[in-house]
Amino acid sequence: QQQVKQSPQSLIVQKGGISIINCAYENTAFDYFPWYQQFPGKGPALLIAIRPDVSEKKEGRFTISFNKSAKQFSLHIMDSQPGDSATYFCAANTGGFKTIFGAGTRLFVKA
Amino acid sequence: ETGVTQSPTHLIKTRGQQVTLRCSSQSGHNTVSWYQQALGQGPQFIFQYYREEENGRGNFPPRFSGLQFPNYSSELNVNALELDDSALYLCASSLAGTRPYEQYFGPGTRLTVT
Repeated sequence: QQQVKQSPQSLIVQKGGISIINCAYENTAFDYFPWYQQFPGKGPALLIAIRPDVSEKKEGRFTISFNKSAKQFSLHIMDSQPGDSATYFCAANTGGFKTIFGAGTRLFVKA
Repeated sequence: ETGVTQSPTHLIKTRGQQVTLRCSSQSGHNTVSWYQQALGQGPQFIFQYYREEENGRGNFPPRFSGLQFPNYSSELNVNALELDDSALYLCASSLAGTRPYEQYFGPGTRLTVT
């Protein structure tokens, strides 16, 4: 029940295309859903986050879509660029205490 | 604003040895969490420290222990190292109370156990 399931495991997108990464959770106590971006040799960096009372949040080229009834959320990267090539993790948190991460999606954007 | 820093960057230890990893939190942050990230996996929560006390723990054995100091920096200690302890160890700082959810990660310490 504490798991966050993430798909796909890897993703190849053409430059300018849309990258979509999906996540699902079971624990309805989760109340904060962040996405992290991690480059090789670096720690994860907070990219964008959403709370379950909001269905969509957009920041620049990054959008989170949230479906509370389905317990699913997704990250959309519009106009994907080679510099976006990284590993993306969805996560879930309750009470600011313990963050549960998905297994990660390796994104490669072809120039 | 100073980001999260960790030391050392890399470390090689032998099975059965003990190791101490260090973390300095981002300025203004009072909470530190530690995570273990195995190769190709997402980070796994080890524990969190707030006001120099353990504030919660993940599914890790007692040989994983920690400390938080008055300046909010933190240490992760691992005793009796096992081969499976080889991983990237990440610390993340946050501000309890107002923005507890926004965690900022350091670059990590790569531990190799041989």
